[in-house]
Amino acid sequence: GQQVMQIPQYQHVQEGEDFTTYCNSSTTLSNIQWYKQRPGGHPVFLIQLVKSGEVKKQKRLTFQFGEAKKNSSLHITATQTTDVGTYFCAGPNAGGTSYGKLTFGQGTILTVHP
Amino acid sequence: DSGVTQTPKHLITATGQRVTLRCSPRSGDLSVYWYQQSLDQGLQFLIQYYNGEERAKGNILERFSAQQFPDLHSELNLSSLELGDSALYFCASSVDWYTEAFFGQGTRLTVV
Repeated sequence: GQQVMQIPQYQHVQEGEDFTTYCNSSTTLSNIQWYKQRPGGHPVFLIQLVKSGEVKKQKRLTFQFGEAKKNSSLHITATQTTDVGTYFCAGPNAGGTSYGKLTFGQGTILTVHP
Repeated sequence: DSGVTQTPKHLITATGQRVTLRCSPRSGDLSVYWYQQSLDQGLQFLIQYYNGEERAKGNILERFSAQQFPDLHSELNLSSLELGDSALYFCASSVDWYTEAFFGQGTRLTVV
């Protein structure tokens, strides 16, 4: 079945440094979604990318969807302590017996040292 | 506030018992997902319903079952509970399978 892999599992940065997490799917995705889960909280939707090669920005966050629609990345410029949390990518399964399943990557836990 | 309501927020129960977790999706959302999140772990997909019908199933244990009712709320039933079932259980809803999901606050289940 569809697998979504995310690296790195952990990332520790000093405040002001950049951060990138990468997501790879075993199958072509109809879209890729990114979520953030603060410590003790629930996942919160950040953004959805649909088109091949799409790039979207949200302030200091830049999201990319690969040309083959099988990989994606999230880059944060000049991290702040408010960026702390776990970042997940997720892709809906568009076919087969798991049609409709929204598969999440394992997540990247980001800690930011002030 | 995501608009997804989960009850109860916390649940402590003994091994061997049965519990029911409840989820009310956002107004207008037809799709409901259930996920299990153990300590410092990712989101393990359990099951998805769409407009009352089961659409996708993950590695859900046979001791677990779920359903979505005509009013679109959903329940996750966990029986013969084991210590390893202790986890956060999230419900999420979306308009359809390919749209963004909105998560509830979760139910923290502790099996003692």
